Amino acid sequence: AQSVAQPEDQVNVAEGNPLTVKCTYSVSGNPYLFWYVQYPNRGLQFLLKYITGDNLVKGSYGFEAEFNKSQTSFHLKKPSALVSDSALYFCAVRKGGATNKLIFGTGTLLAVQP
Amino acid sequence: EAGVTQFPSHSVIEKGQTVTLRCDPISGHDNLYWYRRVMGKEIKFLLHFVKESKQDESGMPNNRFLAERTGGTYSTLKVQPAELEDSGVYFCASSPQTLGWGYTFGSGTRLTVV
Repeated sequence: AQSVAQPEDQVNVAEGNPLTVKCTYSVSGNPYLFWYVQYPNRGLQFLLKYITGDNLVKGSYGFEAEFNKSQTSFHLKKPSALVSDSALYFCAVRKGGATNKLIFGTGTLLAVQP
Repeated sequence: EAGVTQFPSHSVIEKGQTVTLRCDPISGHDNLYWYRRVMGKEIKFLLHFVKESKQDESGMPNNRFLAERTGGTYSTLKVQPAELEDSGVYFCASSPQTLGWGYTFGSGTRLTVV
């Protein structure tokens, strides 16, 4: 069965420091991987996706993610965190077939301290 | 282009009452999805419409939940009768027919059953 794991409930980082939010997945076949962010009182916003090609994917707001097939990971990264990056981050994998539904992780709360 | 609109944004109801959530997808998007996040857990798929037809309703928790999409436009999700464990945030998403991963999510409805 396809699944996504986000091992950290919360990640704390100081403003200006690099940040990493971890995600590992289990999927049969080639994975389609996504990161979404939810700011307070807002909907889920798309950050980036990996479908195929370069293992390093760049997305919105300066975020990037690295697809690592051998480690089945898709960690989200940013070189320099901003206080405004504080939000809830979800990793997801697309389940193939006719429905294209997403399988999400439990989410990681990112707290960036000034 | 207007986004995916959900209302109400919040709803507090008593156990045993009925609640109806509404989602207005982006105009022209054939695919409409409902997801739910129970506090602290992953976002889970509920069901998928293609136009007015239910493509996949494997995630619907039980027969207290009824989703409709009359005319292939907006969708409603009715919970009757509501139970305490139905509390959570209900997200709607839509995507065009030809872009299986181009989901746009709404801001969600926070349902609290007391």
